[in-house]
Amino acid sequence: DAGVTQSPTHLIKTRGQHVTLRCSPISGHKSVSWYQQVLGQGPQFIFQYYEKEERGRGNFPDRFSARQFPNYSSELNVNALLLGDSALYLCASRWTGMGGYTFGSGTRLTVV
Amino acid sequence: AQTVTQSQPEMSVQEAETVTLSCTYDTSESDYYLFWYKQPPSRQMILVIRQEAYKQQNATENRFSVNFQKAAKSFSLKISDSQLGDAAMYFCAYRHFNYGGSQGNLIFGKGTKLSVKP
Repeated sequence: DAGVTQSPTHLIKTRGQHVTLRCSPISGHKSVSWYQQVLGQGPQFIFQYYEKEERGRGNFPDRFSARQFPNYSSELNVNALLLGDSALYLCASRWTGMGGYTFGSGTRLTVV
Repeated sequence: AQTVTQSQPEMSVQEAETVTLSCTYDTSESDYYLFWYKQPPSRQMILVIRQEAYKQQNATENRFSVNFQKAAKSFSLKISDSQLGDAAMYFCAYRHFNYGGSQGNLIFGKGTKLSVKP
């Protein structure tokens, strides 16, 4: 079975640009979450979606948005990129409320 | 708000020896989950072990075991018979318990970098 897949794996953007990151959860997983991991830190929660509805939002500015599609895949969008948005963006999926999360390998975003 | 603290930025262990990584957390809830994740240079976060707070018995997964002290809010990870492949960043994480719902994000510590010497 395929795990959580994220695309692209690496991305370089210029300040002020927009970026879209994509995530496909494990088949059957209806919950998808996004995390930002700055170098040397633990991941920070950005969004959680379940059954296409937002179920949680971390302390991130409105430049960050996300959505979940009928097939449970998800997109994370970041507008007006800042240098500080440079990080590893991790997607995780989960089957039920009782379970642990399975993570993808992440998208490395560099803003120059 | 819940917090997770890992006080050891780096640890080192000799191959085949045992090492313990520390984690403390702060919460006012009585039901929650605790996790240890491993992140090798490949970047993928891999679940090592999980503990439900309502279970008194410490979780064990092969060479990995935890010492869960609920009253002390402590959750340490013991790695026995350390192997070169155990070298990675280890993150302790907390999630509150939700009854059949979909909420519950992970709160991570800052991580401990484990080196394994041959």
